Amino acid sequence: AQSVTQLGSHVSVSEGALVLLRCNYSSSVPPYLFWYVQYPNQGLQLLLKYTTGATLVKGINGFEAEFKKSETSFHLTKPSAHMSDAAEYFCAVSDTGSARQLTFGSGTQLTVLP
Amino acid sequence: DSGVTQTPKHLITATGQRVTLRCSPRSGDLSVYWYQQSLDQGLQFLIQYYNGEERAKGNILERFSAQQFPDLHSELNLSSLELGDSALYFCASSERGSSYNSPLHFGNGTRLTVT
Repeated sequence: AQSVTQLGSHVSVSEGALVLLRCNYSSSVPPYLFWYVQYPNQGLQLLLKYTTGATLVKGINGFEAEFKKSETSFHLTKPSAHMSDAAEYFCAVSDTGSARQLTFGSGTQLTVLP
Repeated sequence: DSGVTQTPKHLITATGQRVTLRCSPRSGDLSVYWYQQSLDQGLQFLIQYYNGEERAKGNILERFSAQQFPDLHSELNLSSLELGDSALYFCASSERGSSYNSPLHFGNGTRLTVT
C-alpha cells in the first residue's frame, strides 16, 4: 500500500521568504505524486503532479516540486511567499491498482507573515 | 470554480438519522470520487464510481453507501449517523477512471454536523 508523510503540520514563513513543504512517500513501485492546495471553505485544487519524465515539476502559482527517488521525497517549494499562499497543502500518491485513488498526507497549514 | 457542484453546503442532523449528499461532476467527467475530511482522520478516500459502476472502495463504513446515476451525478447516503461522522465530505470528478493521468477536480464539500 502507498502512504505519504508530510513533515510539519504547520509552517510559517515571512512574505518574500522561501516556502518549503516536505513530503515523503512510501511505495514499492514507481509512484504518481501530487500536491493539492485547499483554501478556506473550498475544495482541493491541483497544484502540480509527477507521473513520469522530468523530476522537477512546475505547477501553478509559482510552485514547483522535485521528485527524488533516492530520498523518497517530493518536497514543494516556492522561491518567494505571497500572502495569498496561505492555505493548507496536501501531498498525495496514487496507487497502481486497476482502480486508482489518491492517498493523501495529513496536510501542512502554511501561514505567511507580513 | 472546479465545475463540481455539491449540495447541500451544510447539513445539521441528529444521531441515528440518515442523510443524502449530492454531487454533480464536471461536464464530461465520467468518474466520481467521495472523500471524508475530519480533524482526526484527515482526508480519507471513501469510494469511486466510473460511468455508473463502482470502481474502487476505500475506508467506507457499511452504514454508508453511494451510487452514480445515468446522468453521472452521484449521491452518498449516510445512515445511522453517529457523532463521529461529523466531517467535511468532498466529491471529486475526473475525466477518466485513473487518477494519475486525469487529475481530480474537487467540489467545495458538504459540511455535516451530527448532534
